[in-house]
Amino acid sequence: DTAVSQTPKYLVTQMGNDKSIKCEQNLGHDTMYWYKQDSKKFLKIMFSYNNKELIINETVPNRFSPKSPDKAHLNLHINSLELGDSAVYFCASSQAFTGELFFGEGSRLTVL
Amino acid sequence: GQQVMQIPQYQHVQEGEDFTTYCNSSTTLSNIQWYKQRPGGHPVFLIQLVKSGEVKKQKRLTFQFGEAKKNSSLHITATQTTDVGTYFCAGPPGSGNTGKLIFGQGTTLQVKP
Repeated sequence: DTAVSQTPKYLVTQMGNDKSIKCEQNLGHDTMYWYKQDSKKFLKIMFSYNNKELIINETVPNRFSPKSPDKAHLNLHINSLELGDSAVYFCASSQAFTGELFFGEGSRLTVL
Repeated sequence: GQQVMQIPQYQHVQEGEDFTTYCNSSTTLSNIQWYKQRPGGHPVFLIQLVKSGEVKKQKRLTFQFGEAKKNSSLHITATQTTDVGTYFCAGPPGSGNTGKLIFGQGTTLQVKP
């Protein structure tokens, strides 16, 4: 069983489109995150949720809207996609705020 | 804001040689974590260090946390081709406890067989 699973793994889309990435964790963790990894492999946190409550919002454009329907799920919706949004988006979860992160396999988004 | 820097950015070694990556934070860290990301893969947690001066070993990997809790290192003895990947250090910013981690830019290790 995959601990943190993301879908889809690959997304290729045109500028201006809207897309969503889904994430689910079966570890029973309270906290979930979205990280963005750019082409230089730099990992940057975007959002975190704890028990469905938004904890961190790292000055991400409001075209990005996370949604956590329950503590096992954290989805990411992106409106009006731009070329600069091309990246790998990783979902992650942790048991405690200082605990290790369990990452999903990533969703590679390519905006043409 | 807080920065976490890693050097070197890239390292090519011959199989059997040792490898070290260094991590420096602009501020004191409450803890530091290390992750490994294989090519095309996702980051995988390796270890967390909490105490000043702490040293932990995992087989051929040795992790150190500096006395001032502002720097850390990962040393691999006698590298193998399975060690290939990017190694990231990460630490929480400031004293707030939100789960946020600031990642270093990573050191990518290539091992020639």
